[in-house]
Amino acid sequence: KQEVTQIPAALSVPEGENLVLNCSFTDSAIYNLQWFRQDPGKGLTSLLLIQSSQREQTSGRLNASLDKSSGRSTLYIAASQPGDSATYLCAVLDFNNNDMRFGAGTRLTVKP
Amino acid sequence: GAVVSQHPSWVICKSGTSVKIECRSLDFQATTMFWYRQFPKQSLMLMATSNEGSKATYEQGVEKDKFLINHASLTLSTLTVTSAHPEDSSFYICSAEKAYNEQFFGPGTRLTVL
Repeated sequence: KQEVTQIPAALSVPEGENLVLNCSFTDSAIYNLQWFRQDPGKGLTSLLLIQSSQREQTSGRLNASLDKSSGRSTLYIAASQPGDSATYLCAVLDFNNNDMRFGAGTRLTVKP
Repeated sequence: GAVVSQHPSWVICKSGTSVKIECRSLDFQATTMFWYRQFPKQSLMLMATSNEGSKATYEQGVEKDKFLINHASLTLSTLTVTSAHPEDSSFYICSAEKAYNEQFFGPGTRLTVL
């Protein structure tokens, strides 16, 4: 059964710092991997979607990479801002079961 | 675009009542929709997969008689929490599948059962 793990569970950084969030998954048979942002009490905002054939995707200050063979993805946030404070979730669309499996998330706090 | 809406956004009900949550894909048709629940400080857990015109497929441990899912059209799926109890209080999120295995998520519904 596909399992998704995110490290660290929580991260606090000063404003302006570059940071990396990690996501690992146990089964490389995936259609895609997606990074989401979730603000407290709110729904999901999709940040980046990487198809299984792709290595990375970029949007503004965000860059996500995918190494399917090793079961890893990273989300890089450049020049972090207090507005980036949120929980970041990664999810894989599992090939075998055709459903999404989520990690537990990384709670990011960016201090002014 | 690909927009998914949920209604209501929040609901408070008494124990023993039933609550219906709607999930709509506003600008695309979705043969498949998914229902997730999220407890505080935990990640989303898939509850069931809803296919238009057929019975939903429930994840292990999810009571199908308690969480009734109806996918009556290509743009609407409903989740009914029957005889709700306080332990059913949670954040429920739906998603709709557009082309090629891409899901778009609704804003979520917060259910509080007193």
